[in-house]
Amino acid sequence: DIRLTQSPSSLSASVGDSVTITCRASQSIRSYLNWYQQKPGKAPKPLMFGASSLQRGVPSRFSGSASGTDFTLTISSLQPEDFATYFCQQSYSSPRTFGQGTKVDIK
Amino acid sequence: QVQLQESGPGLVKPSQTLSLTCSVSGGSINSGGYCWSWIRQHPEKGLEWIGYISDSGSTDYNPALKGRVSISVDTSTNRFSLRLTSMTAADTALYYCAREKDYAGNEIDTWGQGTLVIVSS
Repeated sequence: DIRLTQSPSSLSASVGDSVTITCRASQSIRSYLNWYQQKPGKAPKPLMFGASSLQRGVPSRFSGSASGTDFTLTISSLQPEDFATYFCQQSYSSPRTFGQGTKVDIK
Repeated sequence: QVQLQESGPGLVKPSQTLSLTCSVSGGSINSGGYCWSWIRQHPEKGLEWIGYISDSGSTDYNPALKGRVSISVDTSTNRFSLRLTSMTAADTALYYCAREKDYAGNEIDTWGQGTLVIVSS
């Protein structure tokens, strides 16, 4: 199975801050890396696919990038509604796997 | 816009079989180009992919579930189902149905709201 390691596991930030979450794959997954946002008691919400493509309706303050097996999700100016847990997922091979999540909370 | 809704028992006894159904609304389950998936989330933990069934009827399951899982589709009712046998406390989780694109990035673009399943006698 392809292992996805997210870092950090949690972070505290303020509104307006820029935050970056990293997801490292245990082997090449090309650009088959997706990001989801989950709020308490809710299902995950698709944010980004193909490492850097925004899902429809997702604000442009979210961006993604890739370098080899390292992927990053950046929120350029954190808004109150962005405090949530973020998961990466690889859709390159079976079984699909997820990172363990990064919780972004208010400082 | 397609919406997914899980249904099934919230409580299952150890060793029993879990059966969950996902109702698809706002679109046809055999419209093509999608795989219909099940994913679970253990309390306060991460997400685990269970498997999917494609629109051609082929299935793919997580080997970690050791042959206990099967997923089927009923196009007449626009629903797909999960069957998980030999349930144990370790299977207590929030179960989501989801739709994965069978093209481009193969990402999940739609999730159900989830249904909690507790395994207890």
